[in-house]
Amino acid sequence: NAGVTQTPKFQVLKTGQSMTLQCAQDMNHNSMYWYRQDPGMGLRLIYYSASEGTTDKGEVPNGYNVSRLNKREFSLRLESAAPSQTSVYFCASRPGHPFGFAGSPLHFGNGTRLTVT
Amino acid sequence: AQSVTQPDIHITVSEGASLELRCNYSYGATPYLFWYVQSPGQGLQLLLKYFSGDTLVQGIKGFEAEFKRSQSSFNLRKPSVHWSDAAEYFCAVGERGDKIIFGKGTRLHILP
Repeated sequence: NAGVTQTPKFQVLKTGQSMTLQCAQDMNHNSMYWYRQDPGMGLRLIYYSASEGTTDKGEVPNGYNVSRLNKREFSLRLESAAPSQTSVYFCASRPGHPFGFAGSPLHFGNGTRLTVT
Repeated sequence: AQSVTQPDIHITVSEGASLELRCNYSYGATPYLFWYVQSPGQGLQLLLKYFSGDTLVQGIKGFEAEFKRSQSSFNLRKPSVHWSDAAEYFCAVGERGDKIIFGKGTRLHILP
């Protein structure tokens, strides 16, 4: 029962460094998402992928890139980290169209706490 | 574009009192609506969801929510809160293109 797995759990970067956050789900879900959570800001959608081979911008995509490597994996890349990207990052998935119920809820990973100094 | 507003950043209620957390959304079509809860240091757990049909939906932990199209609202209620309900609550709206947007959250404090 792994569900949604995110790696790493914690990461400290220096300004200008790059890194990739990994996310994998084993529920055969079609749709995958990346959110960031900051105090007082709720969860903000960075990018999402409604199906393998497609990605779309969310609310706060600047400074990030994503790759939907296959149906299971959806990675988030910071090319040049900035202190403003210090946050907790959550990956999520759900069945989505066309294989699942369109109103199906999100299944979340445990998050990655990223600090950029 | 869809949006979600949770007007109350913090709410404090006494244990045993009733609770209502407000959520207003903006979306042209019939939305999919969700409430999630996040306990300190934990991930997000689904409380309940609405997609069609009966406008009063029941969730886990004794929570319910009512969809009111005329008011663009999906408020969360509980008749009697417990100390363990202290957490942050998030309302979310989904559209048919799979985009799901969250509100900023309401932090619930419980007085003994």
